[in-house]
Amino acid sequence: AQSVAQPEDQVNVAEGNPLTVKCTYSVSGNPYLFWYVQYPNRGLQFLLKYITGDNLVKGSYGFEAEFNKSQTSFHLKKPSALVSDSALYFCAVPGNTGKLIFGQGTTLQVKP
Amino acid sequence: GAGVSQSPSNKVTEKGKDVELRCDPISGHTALYWYRQSLGQGLEFLIYFQGNSAPDKSGLPSDRFSAERTGGSVSTLTIQRTQQEDSAVYLCASSADRGSVLTFGAGSRLTVL
Repeated sequence: AQSVAQPEDQVNVAEGNPLTVKCTYSVSGNPYLFWYVQYPNRGLQFLLKYITGDNLVKGSYGFEAEFNKSQTSFHLKKPSALVSDSALYFCAVPGNTGKLIFGQGTTLQVKP
Repeated sequence: GAGVSQSPSNKVTEKGKDVELRCDPISGHTALYWYRQSLGQGLEFLIYFQGNSAPDKSGLPSDRFSAERTGGSVSTLTIQRTQQEDSAVYLCASSADRGSVLTFGAGSRLTVL
């Protein structure tokens, strides 16, 4: 069965420092992988996706994610964090029936 | 429409009452999804529609929950005999096809007293 895991409930970084939010996956076949973000009191928004091609995927708001097949990971990264990046982040993978399966979410706190 | 529209945005009801939550997806999107989120926590999958049929309704918590989609468009999630543990934000999303990017609505916040 397709699944994703986010090993950290919360990540704390200082503004200006690089950030990483971790995601590992378990899929059969070639993976499609997604990152979504939920800002406080707002709906979920799509950030980026990996289908095929370059292992480094660039998305919205300066975020990028690195697909690593050998480590079955798809970590979300940003070179310089902003306080406004503080939000709840979800990675996701399509299930066999077509539904999108989300990880448990990671809260990112960026301190000034 | 321009986005996914959900109504009501807020619903307070008494335990034991029935509630209906509505989702109006983006025009032309064939796939529609319902998720539930409690207290800013994770996303719990409820049901997925492709057109008017539901290939996966494995996430519906009990037989008090049901959903339908008509005309390949609007969907209604119905909760009968609501319980306090049903209190959550119910999120609807649509996509052009399975595996495509999901666009989420703002959610319907349900509070059962």
